[in-house]
Amino acid sequence: DTGVSQDPRHKITKRGQNVTFRCDPISEHNRLYWYRQTLGQGPEFLTYFQNEAQLEKSRLLSDRFSAERPKGSFSTLEIQRTEQGDSAMYLCASSLGQGVTYEQYFGPGTRLTVT
Amino acid sequence: AQSVTQLDSHVSVSEGTPVLLRCNYSSSYSPSLFWYVQHPNKGLQLLLKYTSAATLVKGINGFEAEFKKSETSFHLTKPSAHMSDAAEYFCVVSDESGGGADGLTFGKGTHLIIQP
Repeated sequence: DTGVSQDPRHKITKRGQNVTFRCDPISEHNRLYWYRQTLGQGPEFLTYFQNEAQLEKSRLLSDRFSAERPKGSFSTLEIQRTEQGDSAMYLCASSLGQGVTYEQYFGPGTRLTVT
Repeated sequence: AQSVTQLDSHVSVSEGTPVLLRCNYSSSYSPSLFWYVQHPNKGLQLLLKYTSAATLVKGINGFEAEFKKSETSFHLTKPSAHMSDAAEYFCVVSDESGGGADGLTFGKGTHLIIQP
């Protein structure tokens, strides 16, 4: 499968624990995006990378959220001290370049449940 | 600021009848508009996009949408619904003004139900 992959697909954690999600983009794509989708809502943009540089992070939901893309390939999204309100689907997307000319391809998502 | 409003949270049609999913947008600049589809347990898939070329855009699986600036609308249509069209559909806007983030702004979604 040469699409965007995400791991794990499901994560159940207890409130207060830290969680980390991984996203592997399509190999030649230099842009990588993270979104959050809560029940009954459309995805909400969180942050994005151009290669290893994080170009937008003001939309991350709080300082408990952080993302990295250390070598410009895979990316991780970490949530520290999880809260029940963090329960959602976390989506990753990648694209070949900048702007709407380039389609964003989405992964299947990681569903987080905080108990 | 940019936003989209999907006017119906649920649409139910019979198989073989036309589909209309309504979307209105708001954008300070000339927007790019998209429709994405999300099948259960599958990733979001791009159906079609408008990027200031032809106002009538054809997409995959027989879907099309028309950009109407005067009405700030981008409704999605299909002449004949198929059972496999049952899914969640999202209208999406991207506003590249000022070199800001290329994140997409999604509507809340329309759940399309196909009756046999």
